[in-house]
Amino acid sequence: QLQLQESGPGLVRPSGTLSLTCTVFGDSVTSDDYYWAWIRQSPGGGPEWIGSIFYGGYTFYTPSLKSRVTISLDTSKNQLSLKMKSVTSTDTAVYYCAGDHRIPSTALTWFDPWGQGTLVTVSS
Amino acid sequence: QSALTQPPSASGSLGQSVTFSCTGTSSDVGGYNYVSWYQQHPGKAPKLIIYDVNKRPSGVPYRFSGSKSGNTASLTVSGLQAEDEADYYCSSYAGSNHLRVFGTGTKVTVL
Repeated sequence: QLQLQESGPGLVRPSGTLSLTCTVFGDSVTSDDYYWAWIRQSPGGGPEWIGSIFYGGYTFYTPSLKSRVTISLDTSKNQLSLKMKSVTSTDTAVYYCAGDHRIPSTALTWFDPWGQGTLVTVSS
Repeated sequence: QSALTQPPSASGSLGQSVTFSCTGTSSDVGGYNYVSWYQQHPGKAPKLIIYDVNKRPSGVPYRFSGSKSGNTASLTVSGLQAEDEADYYCSSYAGSNHLRVFGTGTKVTVL
């Protein structure tokens, strides 16, 4: 059964870099069945897709965050990571990693499962 | 990319049905049959309940159903149960570069 678990600092200083790791259990990050996604949810708000990565070499980002975000895979540790630079208070949110289930040769994808999420607060 | 529009709240009595919408544009909901729905209880991660507009993952009760017409997708919960009280979010593929967008969310209350 696929499970994901986020980890990383819960507090980041303004203008600093947010760094999170997601460990994947039950499948390999090299699987053909999944992209791997980062999604965030601000307090009281809806989810926001940050980006997704596929082992085959594709990385996609939401346009509004593309200049500040890097998503990468560490196949030796079966992990994905998120780095977001120049953070401000508006980046305070619960950050989730998720399996981004893919169907080859189509654009059909869905997010399942999700990790439990980790709250990151941007504050001095 | 704008969030998909959902009514903030919906309600129904135990055993009754509730339907609520998710409205986008021809660039997302209307352009592709790639809508999914997620249920979120307080303090928990979202959980997939519908994908590909109207397909249920294994383990999701039959009382959850999805549909789409034009730029609007809908989720129906039939035979409301107390445990269905939660926030619900839609999501759609939104074109090139794997772009995805979520809805603003609907809080369902079981009366």
